[in-house]
Amino acid sequence: GEDVEQSLFLSVREGDSSVINCTYTDSSSTYLYWYKQEPGAGLQLLTYIFSNMDMKQDQRLTVLLNKKDKHLSLRIADTQTGDSAIYFCAEKFHQTGANNLFFGTGTRLTVIP
Amino acid sequence: DTGVSQDPRHKITKRGQNVTFRCDPISEHNRLYWYRQTLGQGPEFLTYFQNEAQLEKSRLLSDRFSAERPKGSFSTLEIQRTEQGDSAMYLCASSQISDYEQYFGPGTRLTVT
Repeated sequence: GEDVEQSLFLSVREGDSSVINCTYTDSSSTYLYWYKQEPGAGLQLLTYIFSNMDMKQDQRLTVLLNKKDKHLSLRIADTQTGDSAIYFCAEKFHQTGANNLFFGTGTRLTVIP
Repeated sequence: DTGVSQDPRHKITKRGQNVTFRCDPISEHNRLYWYRQTLGQGPEFLTYFQNEAQLEKSRLLSDRFSAERPKGSFSTLEIQRTEQGDSAMYLCASSQISDYEQYFGPGTRLTVT
């Protein structure tokens, strides 16, 4: 399966932490990604995690991976108004040699000042 | 700026016309990808090149779509006899063979009237 699911909307207050969740269905995924898209723009790669890792931290971003539940999350600490955007989870498979990414529908994060 | 660039950024065309988009990848990147993103959805894979070879095509890529990367550098995506359903953002991404990171361009927004 290539279904990647995300909740559509998330609102948080400035300064709080945001947690964006994603579930995927294919256990053969080897890499999982988080991208950010601002209005009218392309996608900005935020971070990615290998499937043999449980956690990855990069400044304000923390990625958690639960392979058993096929659940990926992105935590943004001290959320700022500039973090308002759509966040996409994406997975990449290795077994077929395919190199394309499968994306979720995106979560629109709104940061309230 | 050494990021992925796309041209044009916006294109409005009438149904039945042909359109061509261009993508210039990051200079040392061997792989180049095309994705399509419709409103409210995540990007969907269309096709990818490794150097000048087109290695994979999605079933989304109908016969009206053709992509080329003649010298292994820039790529073009042509849509013939455009239909209203072709209205979307067309995104290009590039990566190195040994790299797990795909970097996206700003996209070309196509509107078919």
